[in-house]
Amino acid sequence: DTGVSQNPRHKITKRGQNVTFRCDPISEHNRLYWYRQTLGQGPEFLTYFQNEAQLEKSRLLSDRFSAERPKGSFSTLEIQRTEQGDSAMYLCASRTRGGAGDTQYFGPGTRLTVL
Amino acid sequence: DQQVKQNSPSLSVQEGRISILNCDYTNSMFDYFLWYKKYPAEGPTFLISISSIKDKNEDGRFTVFLNKSAKHLSLHIVPSQPGDSAVYFCAATFGNEKLTFGTGTRLTIIP
Repeated sequence: DTGVSQNPRHKITKRGQNVTFRCDPISEHNRLYWYRQTLGQGPEFLTYFQNEAQLEKSRLLSDRFSAERPKGSFSTLEIQRTEQGDSAMYLCASRTRGGAGDTQYFGPGTRLTVL
Repeated sequence: DQQVKQNSPSLSVQEGRISILNCDYTNSMFDYFLWYKKYPAEGPTFLISISSIKDKNEDGRFTVFLNKSAKHLSLHIVPSQPGDSAVYFCAATFGNEKLTFGTGTRLTIIP
């Protein structure tokens, strides 16, 4: 196991289409996070899971966005009816359960371009 | 509302010298701080972290200093190497869940 993986790495879509991204966390990491990064900005929190439970969602996560982690392992992030403003790098991170000192490890990201 | 700020978008440092990257925060509830390094087309890579109960943490060439009264932290890299050229993000968290990131500082090490 070498780290968090994300697929696809790049996605180009037309406005109005639906897209789905996948994240595979580090084995045995029970917490999984989604972030979005736009040009010139730092990553912004979208949502996170503890096992299969989605515990928090950001205001950035509009009704067009849905995330799942059905078996507490991999997660998917779906964007419906994509808009040009959805163009960004979507990052996934995972960490083990624990207190302060547990670090979030990031995957390589999925770059979405909406035409 | 930018709770974590990195006011220097870029920094150039001669190879072998010290690089100092700065970060300010406004939320006094933050209890854990991290620095990540990011290369183009890659995800952020964890560098070093510090708990709010400490004022310094060191790991090899990297040292993070925390000044709680000033709500300021800094990352020192000594000596700077060409491979350190990247974008550096400061991040903060409360309760060790979601991270709040700054906008990043692009560090360029000049050979």
